[in-house]
Amino acid sequence: QQQVKQSPQSLIVQKGGISIINCAYENTAFDYFPWYQQFPGKGPALLIAIRPDVSEKKEGRFTISFNKSAKQFSLHIMDSQPGDSATYFCAASMVWNTGNQFYFGTGTSLTVIP
Amino acid sequence: NAGVTQTPKFRVLKTGQSMTLLCAQDMNHEYMYWYRQDPGMGLRLIHYSVGEGTTAKGEVPDGYNVSRLKKQNFLLGLESAAPSQTSVYFCASSYSTTRAESSTDTQYFGPGTRLTVL
Repeated sequence: QQQVKQSPQSLIVQKGGISIINCAYENTAFDYFPWYQQFPGKGPALLIAIRPDVSEKKEGRFTISFNKSAKQFSLHIMDSQPGDSATYFCAASMVWNTGNQFYFGTGTSLTVIP
Repeated sequence: NAGVTQTPKFRVLKTGQSMTLLCAQDMNHEYMYWYRQDPGMGLRLIHYSVGEGTTAKGEVPDGYNVSRLKKQNFLLGLESAAPSQTSVYFCASSYSTTRAESSTDTQYFGPGTRLTVL
């Protein structure tokens, strides 16, 4: 059972366009929602993260929109560049009595065409 | 400061063989994790550790064992490799978190180990 559902699986955007990736979750115990960026042959790297007490977080060209009532959150990449071409993973985390556990979405492969 | 390193980078095994993957971190992190990454499946947690000498099962622990004898090292073992264990394995580490600061939740990932089981 996938704890975090991510869409689309792949995305092709023109340079300068907006890339939007969506994620949804069911477990209301999740309280931390990071996005990771992964380039081929590399490990994922934290891009931006949000907690459910805010509805939006922006860092440069990257914005997370968070809808707590709908249990959905999305990543927006403004002015997309060819260098943004990578796989993006959303994730959700909650505290267990044995520590934090992270659940990842299935990933979105983004291609930005020059 | 090397961050998180993984050894080896690539490995090919025959069914039934055993091997150990080594993860090392130099950031004094308490938490360490082992994930596998498969096409269309994202990252799935195999085992994790909240401190030296402790381990716990994640989503897909069957067929794997782990040990955390030293704080900086987290080993993943395959006792009898199967073709279903063909995957890319990632190690990650993070601070012990009070949940008060988002930075303490950041997981730092290693470069991965590509394992093929024939």
